[in-house]
Amino acid sequence: AQSVTQLGSHVSVSEGALVLLRCNYSSSVPPYLFWYVQYPNQGLQLLLKYTSAATLVKGINGFEAEFKKSETSFHLTKPSAHMSDAAEYFCAVTGSARQLTFGSGTQLTVLP
Amino acid sequence: EAGVTQSPTHLIKTRGQQATLRCSPISGHTSVYWYQQALGLGLQFLLWYDEGEERNRGNFPPRFSGRQFPNYSSELNVNALELEDSALYLCASSTLGALYNEQFFGPGTRLTVL
Repeated sequence: AQSVTQLGSHVSVSEGALVLLRCNYSSSVPPYLFWYVQYPNQGLQLLLKYTSAATLVKGINGFEAEFKKSETSFHLTKPSAHMSDAAEYFCAVTGSARQLTFGSGTQLTVLP
Repeated sequence: EAGVTQSPTHLIKTRGQQATLRCSPISGHTSVYWYQQALGLGLQFLLWYDEGEERNRGNFPPRFSGRQFPNYSSELNVNALELEDSALYLCASSTLGALYNEQFFGPGTRLTVL
């Protein structure tokens, strides 16, 4: 079985500041990890995914994440926050099952 | 290329009624997934269909059911609606392939049970 834990249900950053959203995973098999973003009243959009090809994964809109097996982590970062980054972010995992198992989500607020 | 579409956008029902939600996947995608996003419960996997067959289901009662049609579109049926079924229901589609193939999500159907 796989699971992910997102630390911090709400994160606030100033515009231009570093964004760091935390995700830790638990998996009995090599995991595939994903970060999705959800804007209000919309579905989910894939930001990036880890497929074991490279530990540092670059995604859309300037986001990236690093897979650290020793820490069982897959934290999402962006060097400089923009107002348009305000949304809810979900970490997810697949492994032995094809469906996604999601974390509880982190609401990102960007302050002017 | 058209994305995943879902209908209706909003659905209001009363307790005990049945609800039918529809999903059209991206052209070429054979797998359809249903997820429930309920307040306080997060995103939970409901059902996975591929090539017309139910491949897996999440921890939901049997009154949640569905089917996939020959054109790969899908329907989610919820019988004997309960207040706690109020949620955003998201449909996603993908090609079968690798476990890390991206699932593309539709905008969802907001179900309200009164």
